[in-house]
Amino acid sequence: AQSVTQLGSHVSVSEGALVLLRCNYSSSVPPYLFWYVQYPNQGLQLLLKYTTGATLVKGINGFEAEFKKSETSFHLTKPSAHMSDAAEYFCAVGAQKLVFGQGTRLTINP
Amino acid sequence: DGGITQSPKYLFRKEGQNVTLSCEQNLNHDAMYWYRQDPGQGLRLIYYSQIVNDFQKGDIAEGYSVSREKKESFPLTVTSAQKNPTAFYLCASSIVRSGTGGQNIQYFGAGTRLSVL
Repeated sequence: AQSVTQLGSHVSVSEGALVLLRCNYSSSVPPYLFWYVQYPNQGLQLLLKYTTGATLVKGINGFEAEFKKSETSFHLTKPSAHMSDAAEYFCAVGAQKLVFGQGTRLTINP
Repeated sequence: DGGITQSPKYLFRKEGQNVTLSCEQNLNHDAMYWYRQDPGQGLRLIYYSQIVNDFQKGDIAEGYSVSREKKESFPLTVTSAQKNPTAFYLCASSIVRSGTGGQNIQYFGAGTRLSVL
């Protein structure tokens, strides 16, 4: 069985500060990992994905994530937050079927 | 433009009523999915289909039904047996690939918000 835990249901950072959203996973097979972003009353949009190969994955809007097998983690980062980054972020694991974390709401303070 | 269209955007259900949420895709994807989203609970899988005329229950299928008569369409019916239907419903689709370890990116519609009158 696969599962995802997102640490922190709500993260607040200042504009220009580092964004760090935490995701830990559990998987009995080599995982496929995803980060999605959701703006209010909209569907989910793929930010980035890890399948195999390079463990540092770059996505859209300046986000990146690093797959760390030893820590079973796939944390999402962005060096400098922008007001437009305010949204809910979901980490997911799986192949045909995805298992989602509970989400982290990111707030950006001016 | 290719994409996934969900309708209606807002839907209200009366007591004892069945309602149907529409999901159409023109991405030529084989697989389609329905999720329910509640605040603080992430997305939970209701049903999914990997091929026309076939579908499987997800984690919370009770009180819901689906059909997959066409590749492009995967409607979800919320039946009167679903006692707590108020939620945001998301439809997604993906290509079913073989030989790649099954990795599939899911693309999402804009969602339908269902409320009870």
